[in-house]
Amino acid sequence: GQNIDQPTEMTATEGAIVQINCTYQTSGFNGLFWYQQHAGEAPTFLSYNVLDGLEEKGRFSSFLSRSKGYSYLLLKELQMKDSASYLCAVRFLHTGFQKLVFGTGTRLLVSP
Amino acid sequence: GAGVSQSPSNKVTEKGKDVELRCDPISGHTALYWYRQSLGQGLEFLIYFQGNSAPDKSGLPSDRFSAERTGGSVSTLTIQRTQQEDSAVYLCASSSQLTGTDTQYFGPGTRLTVL
Repeated sequence: GQNIDQPTEMTATEGAIVQINCTYQTSGFNGLFWYQQHAGEAPTFLSYNVLDGLEEKGRFSSFLSRSKGYSYLLLKELQMKDSASYLCAVRFLHTGFQKLVFGTGTRLLVSP
Repeated sequence: GAGVSQSPSNKVTEKGKDVELRCDPISGHTALYWYRQSLGQGLEFLIYFQGNSAPDKSGLPSDRFSAERTGGSVSTLTIQRTQQEDSAVYLCASSSQLTGTDTQYFGPGTRLTVL
């Protein structure tokens, strides 16, 4: 089966840096996605990693280690609007098709 | 269209009634997915369409749930004889398998409340 673990909740202050971890166990791994979801809204795509290493995109970076089944999302210069849930999702091959399995999400609260 | 659209945005129904939820994917996206998100839970996969066919229906929770897609575009998720445990946000996503990442883009969802 597929299993994805991420912390339920994190808090941080405006201007700080926060790292949200995600660990997974899956077969047929074919990429890891991070999505941001504000309360009552749809998830929006943040980043994609399929090879080991760091992908940087502005204030957000995502890291992947396939051998460790580990990823993290790094948010720098936190802003109040970054308060949201962050979903880790793993793509794997299932009966010939690509499938995405989501973690339960990490709720991040940014305080002034 | 510019993004994935879903209708209605909210649906309140009585237990035992049937409901239809609609998804209009991004123009040109051949893949379409339905998910369910209950309060405090992760996204639960329901069904996947490639064109008009559904090669993966493994997530449909019971035979009360069905979905179809016509013209390789709009999809309808139907829930028959709704139960209170069906209350959730139903999200639709689409992707273009022409790109390497095959990223899924989500619609705003339909919040279903079964009384």
